[in-house]
Amino acid sequence: GNSVTQMEGPVTLSEEAFLTINCTYTATGYPSLFWYVQYPGEGLQLLLKATKADDKGSNKGFEATYRKETTSFHLEKGSVQVSDSAVYFCALSEGPYGGATNKLIFGTGTLLAVQP
Amino acid sequence: EAGVTQFPSHSVIEKGQTVTLRCDPISGHDNLYWYRRVMGKEIKFLLHFVKESKQDESGMPNNRFLAERTGGTYSTLKVQPAELEDSGVYFCASSPPYTFGSGTRLTVV
Repeated sequence: GNSVTQMEGPVTLSEEAFLTINCTYTATGYPSLFWYVQYPGEGLQLLLKATKADDKGSNKGFEATYRKETTSFHLEKGSVQVSDSAVYFCALSEGPYGGATNKLIFGTGTLLAVQP
Repeated sequence: EAGVTQFPSHSVIEKGQTVTLRCDPISGHDNLYWYRRVMGKEIKFLLHFVKESKQDESGMPNNRFLAERTGGTYSTLKVQPAELEDSGVYFCASSPPYTFGSGTRLTVV
């Protein structure tokens, strides 16, 4: 079945450090891929997405590229801030409309703690 | 525009009791989903409504869980009787576009 594997946390970084959170997936078709973020005390928010191979999703300085050949969608940011401290979830969805009307399959989440 | 609203935000109940979680989707969203995150693990899909119909309930763990969406508006998820392993955060989402609520943290003691 479809699944998502992401690196376990917690990840602890100093402010302005480079961030990579690895995510790989298994899917039978051509899924859409997502990164969601959950800030302390808040709900899940869509951070970025990519709907086809080689697409790059980006938002708030975060980027991830849909790599079909390595079945990966790693999240990166060049310089993290304390305000980026949160739990990050990689997810996929199969089906039409870029996953807008299908269930999401999530990874286990990675806790990021950024220290000043 | 109001987002997806869930309540209660927290619930602590004893094993064997009944709890009902409620989700109010964004107005006009036909799709409504329930998810659950247990013990810091992955967020797992429970079920999907299209309007008032259950499109996919493959993720419902057992028959102690009952979800309804009368009239295709808000939805309820009832757990009866609750067990310790039901503890976790229950998320609701509606689409399109996909929008999540803040979740209900359920603790069964």
